Amino acid sequence: QITLKESGPSLVKPTQTLTLTCSFSGFSLYTSGVAVGWIRQPPGKALEWLALIYWDDDKRYNPSLKGRLIVAKDTSKDQVVLTVTNMDPVDTATYYCARYSGYSGSPFDHWGQGTLVTVSS
Amino acid sequence: SYVLTQPPSLSVAPGKTARITCGGTNIGGKNVHWYQQKPGQAPLLVISRDSDRPSGVPERFSGSNSGNTATLTITGVEAGDEADFYCQVWDAATDHQVFGGGTKLTVL
Repeated sequence: QITLKESGPSLVKPTQTLTLTCSFSGFSLYTSGVAVGWIRQPPGKALEWLALIYWDDDKRYNPSLKGRLIVAKDTSKDQVVLTVTNMDPVDTATYYCARYSGYSGSPFDHWGQGTLVTVSS
Repeated sequence: SYVLTQPPSLSVAPGKTARITCGGTNIGGKNVHWYQQKPGQAPLLVISRDSDRPSGVPERFSGSNSGNTATLTITGVEAGDEADFYCQVWDAATDHQVFGGGTKLTVL
């Protein structure tokens, strides 16, 4: 059974750095072709892809966030960490991590429950 | 950057067929995935690679993709199908993932 779960602060102040952890089970980032992605959803709005990290530590980022994202993995702990710098109220959203099920062109086939992050002073 | 366009909303009577479209330049050459999101829940993959149905997804859900439009079709719509639906592709030109703006399906 594949599960993912996001954890981190529910409230951050403007200009602060957000760090979220995705803890997963049922698959491994030691496996060739596997990746974990981050997707966010502002309240009442659409999904927005943020980042993707592959089993071989290759990484991809949404350029619209202009270098504010860092994604890293701890394969031995089955965790992926997303860092978002210089948080702003427009970054208020539910943040999801999801498994990317194979090589390029694959779907996000399993999702975490999401964690709501509010940016407010 | 690659853009996916979905109608914001669609209303269908119970028992009828819902067709949700996802438009993009030459989308027929890409793998399109569809997600269903009910209120307060995480998205759920309902169609992968244009027309593959993951285990557990009812046969009422099907997909097609050609030219500039991909379509998610739900036959015999039920009240429980009411949700937001999102399409998603991988854009090879930028090596980035792209989501559509979502379609809210209302069952009348």
